[in-house]
Amino acid sequence: QKEVEQNSGPLSVPEGAIASLNCTYSDRVSQSFFWYRQYSGKSPELIMSIYSNGDKEDGRFTAQLNKASQYVSLLIRDSQPSDSATYLCAVNRERAGSYQLTFGKGTKLSVIP
Amino acid sequence: GAVVSQHPSRVICKSGTSVKIECRSLDFQATTMFWYRQFPKKSLMLMATSNEGSKATYEQGVEKDKFLINHASLTLSTLTVTSAHPEDSSFYICSAGRDGGNYGYTFGSGTRLTVV
Repeated sequence: QKEVEQNSGPLSVPEGAIASLNCTYSDRVSQSFFWYRQYSGKSPELIMSIYSNGDKEDGRFTAQLNKASQYVSLLIRDSQPSDSATYLCAVNRERAGSYQLTFGKGTKLSVIP
Repeated sequence: GAVVSQHPSRVICKSGTSVKIECRSLDFQATTMFWYRQFPKKSLMLMATSNEGSKATYEQGVEKDKFLINHASLTLSTLTVTSAHPEDSSFYICSAGRDGGNYGYTFGSGTRLTVV
């Protein structure tokens, strides 16, 4: 089983809709979880972090974490064309004495005007 | 916030030459930095973990003699691509995080390397 799994997409949603991005992880001792956004040709940008079970909201973004199900999701409300990008789920865990991020392969989101 | 600066943003070099890429943490100290490579339309691939004051830890399949990493201070890590070949052409990105990265990692802006 891959350590961090995401649907590669593409996920297409109309402008103004809710985009739902999902991620599962295999390591139960993982402690912190992140969503990054990567535009084509650019480096990833951190948009959300979540550490405990439940929801965390920041503007149009809501991250959801369920450690029992080993599941993380990102909801984007009122999707805009500028949200079109690849979204990377990342899980932080201790490895050999330091923290290391493990990334999923990313989900490509297209918001259609 | 945590700011990571990476230079150069683009570099073109001839086959057989070496290229050095710098990664700096501007407003925090980073005992650990990470180097990634990303080919077009592909996923990020972790190449190595750069440890201040000690040897880097390389991922399986990454040649340590070809990709030299130096982390001589708490704010600077360098990646040198030695004897570059066209197949080394890629997008190289570094990242670092405060407090060991438990609160997230910030990425540099990346270096697009083209070997001709």
